[in-house]
Parts: sequence; C-alpha cells; structure tokens
Amino acid sequence: EDQVTQSPEALRLQEGESSSLNCSYTVSGLRGLFWYRQDPGKGPEFLFTLYSAGEEKEKERLKATLTKKESFLHITAPKPEDSATYLCAVQAYGNNRLAFGKGNQVVVIP
Amino acid sequence: NAGVTQTPKFRILKIGQSMTLQCAQDMNHNYMYWYRQDPGMGLKLIYYSVGAGITDKGEVPNGYNVSRSTTEDFPLRLELAAPSQTSVYFCASSKGQGLNEKLFFGSGTQLSVL
Repeated sequence: EDQVTQSPEALRLQEGESSSLNCSYTVSGLRGLFWYRQDPGKGPEFLFTLYSAGEEKEKERLKATLTKKESFLHITAPKPEDSATYLCAVQAYGNNRLAFGKGNQVVVIP
Repeated sequence: NAGVTQTPKFRILKIGQSMTLQCAQDMNHNYMYWYRQDPGMGLKLIYYSVGAGITDKGEVPNGYNVSRSTTEDFPLRLELAAPSQTSVYFCASSKGQGLNEKLFFGSGTQLSVL
C-alpha cells in the first residue's frame, strides 16, 4: 500500500527564518509526487508536480525537491502569508488514486 | 472564472437522512473527483469520473453514490447518513493530461451527521 509520511506535523517560524518540510513516501513505482497548499476553511491549491529523482521546482519562496524516498519543500525567508498547511501526495503507476499525507502545518510569525 | 463550485458549505443531517452534495466546474475539465478530509487524516478519494457517463470507485466509496450526466456536474449522494460520514467533503477537477494531474479543488462542504 502506498504510504506518505510528512514531518514535522506543525512548525512555527519567525518571518525570514528559512526551513524545510519533509515528505517520505513508499510506493511501488512512482508516477508523480504532488505538493498542495491548504488555507483554513478552503480547498487545497496545487503547487508542484515532481516526476523523477533529482527534479526541482520553484515558485516564489518555495522550492520542491525529490529523491527516490522523499521530497522536501524548502521555504526561503518566509512571510506571514506563507502560513498554511502543506499537503504531499503520491501516485503510483497503475493506481487510480493519490495517497495523501496528513500535512505540515506552518505558522509564520511577523 | 468560478472554477469548482460546491454547495452547500455547511449541513447538519440526522442519522438515516439522505442528501446530495452538489459540485460544478466551468473549466471544461474531463476528470472530476470527490474527496473527504477527516481531522488529522489525509484526503481520501471517494469516487472519481473520467468523463460524462463514466464513474469509478475510489478508496472509500461505501455509503456514497455518484453520477456524471454532464461534463460540468458531479453530484455526490449520501444515502442513510451515518455519524462516520461526518467530514469535510471536497470536489475537484482536472484536465485530461492524466488522472490526478493538477487538481483544482472547491472550497468544501462541512457535513455533520448527528
């Protein structure tokens, strides 16, 4: 069974204090790894898709990387508006669904 | 552009009642999905559709039914509601680039079954 474990569950950062979120996964043949952002009371919002080890993608202060066992979401010099829950999901070849992790809740303090 | 629209936003049901959660998208997306999100848990897929007239079960389909008569609409039906169906429900859609590619989510329906 595909599994996704995200750590830490919760993280408090000072504004400008860079950090990384971890997504460890177990899947039989990775088709894609996905990062979403979710604000309270809203649906998830797509951030990135990564397909192969070594791939990196960036968007503003966020950078996602992928290895054969895990993905990192690096937040550089975060701002309060980066406060959200970040969700990681994987899809295996031959599987019709995504396996989501429980999320990393990030709070950035001004 | 409205994107994915879900109604209602909140609903309280009594055990045994039935209801339909509505979902509509205006992006002409082929794929549509229903997820549930329980506190402290990852999103779980209930049903999905790859096009009008075609639906399939996800990970947790028991107690739910769906239909897809048009490209735009994908309602989720709860029959004989149970407390275990208390959750936040999200509808999502995506283009035909491949199943699960870049999902667009609605804002959710918070359902309580008492």
